[in-house]
Amino acid sequence: AQSVAQPEDQVNVAEGNPLTVKCTYSVSGNPYLFWYVQYPNRGLQFLLKYITGDNLVKGSYGFEAEFNKSQTSFHLKKPSALVSDSALYFCAVRAEYGNNRLAFGKGNQVVVIP
Amino acid sequence: SAVISQKPSRDICQRGTSLTIQCQVDSQVTMMFWYRQQPGQSLTLIATANQGSEATYESGFVIDKFPISRPNLTFSTLTVSNMSPEDSSIYLCSVEPQAEAFFGQGTRLTVV
Repeated sequence: AQSVAQPEDQVNVAEGNPLTVKCTYSVSGNPYLFWYVQYPNRGLQFLLKYITGDNLVKGSYGFEAEFNKSQTSFHLKKPSALVSDSALYFCAVRAEYGNNRLAFGKGNQVVVIP
Repeated sequence: SAVISQKPSRDICQRGTSLTIQCQVDSQVTMMFWYRQQPGQSLTLIATANQGSEATYESGFVIDKFPISRPNLTFSTLTVSNMSPEDSSIYLCSVEPQAEAFFGQGTRLTVV
């Protein structure tokens, strides 16, 4: 079955600095990869996805992610973090075929320090 | 995309009682999904609800505890029955009109 690892519990970054949230995955076959953000007392909001094509995917709010097949990674990045980016970030994966249920990572709390 | 309205947004309930959560989607979808997000943890799929048939439950979840209705292609309910403090979680409904999922704003349930 597919799975996601988000190795860090919390990511602290100073405002204006680059932000990276790490994600590695395991899936049979080709992966469909996603990032979601959850603000306090809110549901999950879709940020971006990788299905096929360019390995660098651009999404909402200035976020981007790079698919690396050899490292089975899909790290989320933002060149310059904002205080408003402080939230919980989830990486998710599904298989292209077969059991294509979404599997979520445990989430990373991002804290952007003013 | 899809817009999902979920209610209630939060509730505090007495143990032994039941709570029904409603989820309304702005477009017709074949499947609707119900997740649980326990404090400090990730999302766990409870069940998949198809219109006109019984919901399909994931391992560890049973219909008697989490009965689901799916009367039409835009609406579903999840009931948390005979609640205990261990049921305190955020419950989310979701749809997948494309490859990605879209979520309601969640129901934060506290059982006292």
